[in-house]
Amino acid sequence: QKEVEQNSGPLSVPEGAIASLNCTYSDRGSQSFFWYRQYSGKSPELIMSIYSNGDKEDGRFTAQLNKASQYVSLLIRDSQPSDSATYLCAVNMAGRGSTLGRLYFGRGTQLTVWP
Amino acid sequence: DGGITQSPKYLFRKEGQNVTLSCEQNLNHDAMYWYRQDPGQGLRLIYYSQIVNDFQKGDIAEGYSVSREKKESFPLTVTSAQKNPTAFYLCASSIAVWGADTQYFGPGTRLTVL
Repeated sequence: QKEVEQNSGPLSVPEGAIASLNCTYSDRGSQSFFWYRQYSGKSPELIMSIYSNGDKEDGRFTAQLNKASQYVSLLIRDSQPSDSATYLCAVNMAGRGSTLGRLYFGRGTQLTVWP
Repeated sequence: DGGITQSPKYLFRKEGQNVTLSCEQNLNHDAMYWYRQDPGQGLRLIYYSQIVNDFQKGDIAEGYSVSREKKESFPLTVTSAQKNPTAFYLCASSIAVWGADTQYFGPGTRLTVL
């Protein structure tokens, strides 16, 4: 059973704080990991992708990957009210009988940043 | 501008009707996907296509059908056999097959059964 679990929300942080979003996955062989942001009523948009263990920074966003622990996280520094959205974790996991994988999505964590 | 378009944005269906959701991309991507999203749920894969004239069932294909006659287009038909079709439908594309390729999403179609 391929599973992607995200910490249950909603998560509420004050403006300027660090928001931490977490995700665990079931397939130890997974190689590709993505974070999408989805505003209410809109489609998901890619924020970050990460493929190697460690940290990857892009502006106020940092993705952290630990394949041994099967854990990926997203940190948002200096959180802004415009960051209020649902954040989806997606993990590429191999399909049956093939080295090709497919994306599995978590249910998302709803983040609210209050001024 | 390159991107993925979906139409219509909102769609209402009566019981027993088939409806078709359009998805077009001009990104020259080989792979296209259809997902369904229900409130508070993650995305569930309906169908995907890696190449023209080929497509594969995802996790929840029952009651849906697709075609891939052109690289740019991947329409989804919601048939009367789909008992609970009210949902937000998202089309996505990626450069090639699964793996490391990032998937990009269209704006979505919100389907409501009357």
